[in-house]
Amino acid sequence: TQLLEQSPQFLSIQEGENLTVYCNSSSVFSSLQWYRQEPGEGPVLLVTVVTGGEVKKLKRLTFQFGDARKDSSLHITAAQPGDTGLYLCAGVGGATNKLIFGTGTLLAVQP
Amino acid sequence: DVKVTQSSRYLVKRTGEKVFLECVQDMDHENMFWYRQDPGLGLRLIYFSYDVKMKEKGDIPEGYSVSREKKERFSLILESASTNQTSMYLCASSFAISGNTIYFGEGSWLTVV
Repeated sequence: TQLLEQSPQFLSIQEGENLTVYCNSSSVFSSLQWYRQEPGEGPVLLVTVVTGGEVKKLKRLTFQFGDARKDSSLHITAAQPGDTGLYLCAGVGGATNKLIFGTGTLLAVQP
Repeated sequence: DVKVTQSSRYLVKRTGEKVFLECVQDMDHENMFWYRQDPGLGLRLIYFSYDVKMKEKGDIPEGYSVSREKKERFSLILESASTNQTSMYLCASSFAISGNTIYFGEGSWLTVV
């Protein structure tokens, strides 16, 4: 079974701080997605990365796909309270070619 | 905007009851999914469907069944609810099984007592 481990599991920071969330696996993925889930809502897609080493930016969020396509990171610059939520990575790959979700990182940004 | 609607947001059921969770999508997507979400475990796929009347088991199908009689509707059934099925259930749809954007509903919180 493919596993996607996210770290840290929980993160509580002050507004304006920077942070990085990691998504790691021993398996190779053809693509990797990042979702954000706000309380009481379903996850919403933020970005999809496809190429090893690819970097994508979404305002203050920077996503990177590892060169070997086994890991990814999400970096948030100058975090805002509106960034609070559960961040989920999800990889596509393996024999089933289905989407496999990571364990999630719960981020709380205090004003 | 794509809309995935789950009919029940909060349910409390007794052990042994039959439970139906309904999901409707309005984007004519071929593929629909049911996940359950538990703290520290992420989202785990229960069942998915790639066409009307077609279904495939996901990673944790035990204790669940599904029904897809119409393209827009995908139902999750718990034949005899148990306390270990207390969880948040998320329905989703997409154009493709993988790689494309998956659109999620708001979730159904089920408590089995």
